Amino acid sequence: DGGITQSPKYLFRKEGQNVTLSCEQNLNHDAMYWYRQDPGQGLRLIYYSQIVNDFQKGDIAEGYSVSREKKESFPLTVTSAQKNPTAFYLCASSILLSGEQFFGPGTRLTVL
Amino acid sequence: AQSVTQLGSHVSVSEGALVLLRCNYSSSVPPYLFWYVQYPNQGLQLLLKYTTGATLVKGINGFEAEFKKSETSFHLTKPSAHMSDAAEYFCAVSEGGSQGNLIFGKGTKLSVKP
Repeated sequence: DGGITQSPKYLFRKEGQNVTLSCEQNLNHDAMYWYRQDPGQGLRLIYYSQIVNDFQKGDIAEGYSVSREKKESFPLTVTSAQKNPTAFYLCASSILLSGEQFFGPGTRLTVL
Repeated sequence: AQSVTQLGSHVSVSEGALVLLRCNYSSSVPPYLFWYVQYPNQGLQLLLKYTTGATLVKGINGFEAEFKKSETSFHLTKPSAHMSDAAEYFCAVSEGGSQGNLIFGKGTKLSVKP
């Protein structure tokens, strides 16, 4: 089945540690996205990529980093510079110029 | 800049009653509009979308929405609520039609009372 997978589903991190969230898609989509979701805030764009080896900052990129070495993979690293990383993180992908995005099941990150 | 406003962060209806979730947008170009649904601790699932053509759009699970350009609205409706409709609903607009990223509203949580 085609789709987007995110792992792990739950992640716990100690303060000061970097952590990487995985996102893989087998839909052959060119574009991939990372969002952060907090209660009552909707979805806020962290980073997006429209082509391999290229990516752009979204609205809240500070404290996060990404890479896009393969078309199907778009991992997100939450660094120690992110002051309030506890949130639900969603990965999405889309066909370029279609508008419609397909979402993964999400990763819930908790900082202890 | 484009924006999306969802009126009412929480809406409660009785089972069998009409569901109406409101969405207004601002856009300087013809918009692409979307409604997504999210169940607890899950990703978002597309309910329906408007790109061009017919302004009344039908989606999954009996939902529909009407694009009203004069009112800059894209309200989501369902004639008869079911318990399984309880979830959070997000309206989104695509910057520059098909060209750009999605801008999301803050969401409306729908509760359905038996």
